[in-house]
Amino acid sequence: QVHLQESGPGLVRPSETLSLTCTVSGDSISRYNWGWIRQSPGNGLEWIGYMFHSGSANYNPSLKNRVTISKDSSTQFSLKLTSPTAADTAVYHCARVRFGEFDSWGQGIQVTVSS
Amino acid sequence: EIVMTQSPATLSASPGERVTLSCRASQSVSNNLAWYQLKPGQAPRLVIYSASTRATGFPDRFSGSGSGTEFTLTISSLQSEDFAVYYCQHYNRWSISFGGGTKVEV
Repeated sequence: QVHLQESGPGLVRPSETLSLTCTVSGDSISRYNWGWIRQSPGNGLEWIGYMFHSGSANYNPSLKNRVTISKDSSTQFSLKLTSPTAADTAVYHCARVRFGEFDSWGQGIQVTVSS
Repeated sequence: EIVMTQSPATLSASPGERVTLSCRASQSVSNNLAWYQLKPGQAPRLVIYSASTRATGFPDRFSGSGSGTEFTLTISSLQSEDFAVYYCQHYNRWSISFGGGTKVEV
């Protein structure tokens, strides 16, 4: 059974880049597509983007200019969000993508953007 | 962008009741529609995909229906473990968007 675990800093300064890693166990990154979703109290769930197993990616248009999702290794992929603001404060989840639905999720990591 | 609208925002019910959650798309999404269950401190879980296919681990009291722009998630007899927030999500080759969620509470 696949297991996903998010990791990274819980506090990010507005001048920094928000960087998170998702570690996948029980499956190969090369077999599926993988994505990121965030959850905030005021906005519910928001799709950030997903990475095809080929390495290309598709992003939410509202974040497209600031986000990069990429494969780091055979068991890890990452999210990078530049110029974060308080509006980017959220719980960030990584997930496996089947045909567009997210069939396995990580528990999530709280990230706060504050100076 | 396809906008997903869920109703009601909050649904109050008792164990054993039948409940129906609604999800409407601003344009047709065919049957490319999923439902998720979220509980505090837990990883979200896929409940339904392709509008009506139940995901692994969910009992048959959960059912999904609809196509095009109107979808429903029905729980035939609420159990204590079913009280949670449910989100619908559309997907296609280019984009994904979620509804605002329905909280099912006691």
